[in-house]
Amino acid sequence: NAGVTQTPKFQVLKTGQSMTLQCAQDMNHEYMSWYRQDPGMGLRLIHYSVGAGITDQGEVPNGYNVSRSTTEDFPLRLLSAAPSQTSVYFCASSYLRASSSYEQYFGPGTRLTVT
Amino acid sequence: LAKTTQPISMDSYEGQEVNITCSHNNIATNDYITWYQQFPSQGPRFIIQGYKTKVTNEVASLFIPADRKSSTLSLPRVSLSDTAVYYCLVGDMGNTGFQKLVFGTGTRLLVSP
Repeated sequence: NAGVTQTPKFQVLKTGQSMTLQCAQDMNHEYMSWYRQDPGMGLRLIHYSVGAGITDQGEVPNGYNVSRSTTEDFPLRLLSAAPSQTSVYFCASSYLRASSSYEQYFGPGTRLTVT
Repeated sequence: LAKTTQPISMDSYEGQEVNITCSHNNIATNDYITWYQQFPSQGPRFIIQGYKTKVTNEVASLFIPADRKSSTLSLPRVSLSDTAVYYCLVGDMGNTGFQKLVFGTGTRLLVSP
């Protein structure tokens, strides 16, 4: 049981480049989410998903796309990287609940630098 | 509008009890209150969750008054390894019809010898 895995661990992009951050979980969790954390700041929700084919925006969705074709995978795409997207990106997953009683498991993060 | 409000930072000494209070004035009827801990360079880790009154596990206790507009995370006899950022979360209804989890600013706890 690997939990939540993220690849790559580190990435450097030039402004304007695109890339996909990978996230996978093997716990059969319906709920998956992406957060970004800027240095010294809290986590901000980018996008989340409540199952295959169902995604929704979070607090800071601009510049990012997501899709959920399987329960296991929830990739995050940066369309045209900008220096403001330099951050640590965390993926998380949990069982879906009717209330907010989620217990999220977080991946180790991807550290992205955009020059 | 911020869903939760916490102190930005707290200081303590080893062996003391630490209480971190979170305000969530607009908590919805079916919202749970969840607390996470985050160490530098790591993802957050679930600590404890509750709906009302008191919840205790091997790590912490969570006190929730009857009006549920606030909650207090209690860490007994902290050690240096409890130095971390602590986040309080409640749900936020998304367009999917399910709750999404939005983190607040968190409380940075520094434990000194």
